[in-house]
Amino acid sequence: KNEVEQSPQNLTAQEGEFITINCSYSVGISALHWLQQHPGGGIVSLFMLSSGKKKHGRLIATINIQEKHSSLHITASHPRDSAVYICAVVDSGGGADGLTFGKGTHLIIQP
Amino acid sequence: GAGVSQSPRYKVAKRGQDVALRCDPISGHVSLFWYQQALGQGPEFLTYFQNEAQLDKSGLPSDRFFAERPEGSVSTLKIQRTQQEDSAVYLCASSLQGRLQAWTKYEQYFGPGTRLTVT
Repeated sequence: KNEVEQSPQNLTAQEGEFITINCSYSVGISALHWLQQHPGGGIVSLFMLSSGKKKHGRLIATINIQEKHSSLHITASHPRDSAVYICAVVDSGGGADGLTFGKGTHLIIQP
Repeated sequence: GAGVSQSPRYKVAKRGQDVALRCDPISGHVSLFWYQQALGQGPEFLTYFQNEAQLDKSGLPSDRFFAERPEGSVSTLKIQRTQQEDSAVYLCASSLQGRLQAWTKYEQYFGPGTRLTVT
């Protein structure tokens, strides 16, 4: 089973700062998802990556397949970005049909 | 359009009670997943349906957990004789396509979850 590690576990920053959240995994994958979870449980899919880089508004996600590593960046952070950010992977070897999730990074952006 | 809905949103059960958690996926979505999320942890896979067929139940923690999707749309996760360790948020997700496509080419759309507290 893939082991998904995220860092940092907790991050507090000031509004406007550039934010980086990291995700590493242990075995080959078919795809990697970045998810956002707000208090109350709702999860929103931000990105799905299998290579390279994707950008959506102030959010940028990159993946390095050889290094087994992905990063999520937030530019010009805002208090509304405060949430838990979760990295999840799809094993390329089959295994369970669902995603394997990291524990999440709890981000707080202070005004 | 409507997203994935789950009910109830909150459930408090006494230890030993049976509970049933409902998931209404997005209409037409082939794949349906159940996940369990303990406090402070990432979600953990429980089971997967492709239409009405339960193709993977490897994540169900014990035989007290049972899931069904009899008509390939609404799904119910049932937990018998609940224990305190069952306390968690139970998340449902659906996706347009089946199996590999469900998580490599298409997004999974998550419901708001059911927070189960067993006292």
